Parts: sequence; structure tokens; C-alpha cells
Amino acid sequence: DIQMTQSPSSLSASVGDRVTITCRASQSISNFLNWYQQKPGKAPKLLIYAASSLQSGVPSRFSGSGSETDFTLTISSLQPEDFATYFCQQSYSAPYTFGQGTKLEIK
Amino acid sequence: EVQLLESGGGLVQPGGSLRLSCAASGFTFSNYALTWVRQAPVKGLEWVSAIRNSGSSTYYADSVKGRFTISRDNSKNTLYLQMNSLRAEDTAVYYCAKVSGDRRGVSWFDPWGQGTLVIVSS
Repeated sequence: DIQMTQSPSSLSASVGDRVTITCRASQSISNFLNWYQQKPGKAPKLLIYAASSLQSGVPSRFSGSGSETDFTLTISSLQPEDFATYFCQQSYSAPYTFGQGTKLEIK
Repeated sequence: EVQLLESGGGLVQPGGSLRLSCAASGFTFSNYALTWVRQAPVKGLEWVSAIRNSGSSTYYADSVKGRFTISRDNSKNTLYLQMNSLRAEDTAVYYCAKVSGDRRGVSWFDPWGQGTLVIVSS
């Protein structure tokens, strides 16, 4: 199975900050990498697919980059509604594993 | 608007069975693969199972293989997850999601339903 490791596990930041979350795959997955946002009590929401494609309706302050084993999710200027937990997920091969999550909290 | 609505969750004893349903609307159901993902309390996301649009191929996580069965009824726009031999560690919110993809084979889950809670306890 492909293991997905996110860092950091938690992060405190302020409104307006630029934030980067990292996801590393245990083997090369090309660009088969997606990012999701989850708020408490809600279902996950797709932000980025295929490593760098922005899902329709998602604000342009979110961006994704990377390939093979190393990927990043960047939020260019944090907004109050961005405080949530973020998960990466590989769709290269089953089982389609997720990272453990990064909880983004208000400083 | 694409919508997915799970149902069928509840409290079940260890060793028991439960069938989850996911009713879909707003898209051509028979054209898309579908998947189940679960989330144990205060835990991360775990992919559980997936099924191709025709139902001809199914996929399972090792943790549920042999106990869970995914199926779909394209005439009813409904996805199912039959869960047998349930264990305490199966306690989680179960989400269904529509699977989309591109020409290179990259796939992603969007949207997700609101989830249904399964509690396995005596």
C-alpha cells in the first residue's frame, strides 16, 4: 500500500498569512494526488485534483504543486473560513490512501 | 446540482450486519464510479470500497475485504454497502462519493454525501 505522510499535523496561523502543507508519498504517484478540506461535522470538500488543478468554485488563493512523491498545498492569504483540516489522497492505486490530516488553527 | 444522501446507519452489535444506501441525483448515475470512505471518531479518512459505473468491478480495503460488499442499482440511482461481521473498529461515519477522472486516469472524489454514522457496540 502507498503511505501518505502530511506535515505538519497541526498548524497555527493568522488571517492573511501564507500557509504551506506538505504531503509525501511512499512511492512515486506521478500527479495522482488530491487535496480535500474538512470542517467540523461536515463532509470533506475537494479543493485540488491531479496535484495542481483547482476544483471549480474553489477560491484562487488555494494552489497545489508537486509530482512523483512530494506535493504541497498552499493558501496564499488565509481567510477566516479556511481554518479547517486538510487531507491529501493518492488515486494512483488501490487502496486509495489519505494522509493523516493537517489541522489549521487560528493563532 | 449533484447530491448524494446516505442512510442506513445506526447501532449494531459486534458480529451483526447493516446495509448502507446512498441515493444519488443531479448526474447520470450509470456513467460514474462511486466509492465509500469512512472516518472513525476524531480520526482521519479511510477509503473503504469502490465500484465501477457498470458494477462489473469492485475494490476493497484489506480491512473490510470478505466482510463488506459494495453494489449499485443503476435503475434506482442508488449505491449500497452491505456490512457483515461488524467489529468495534468499524465504528465510523461512512461517506459515499462520486468518482470523477481525467484522460490520464487521475481520479478524485467529488462531491461527498453528508455521511451516516455506524456504531458497533454491545
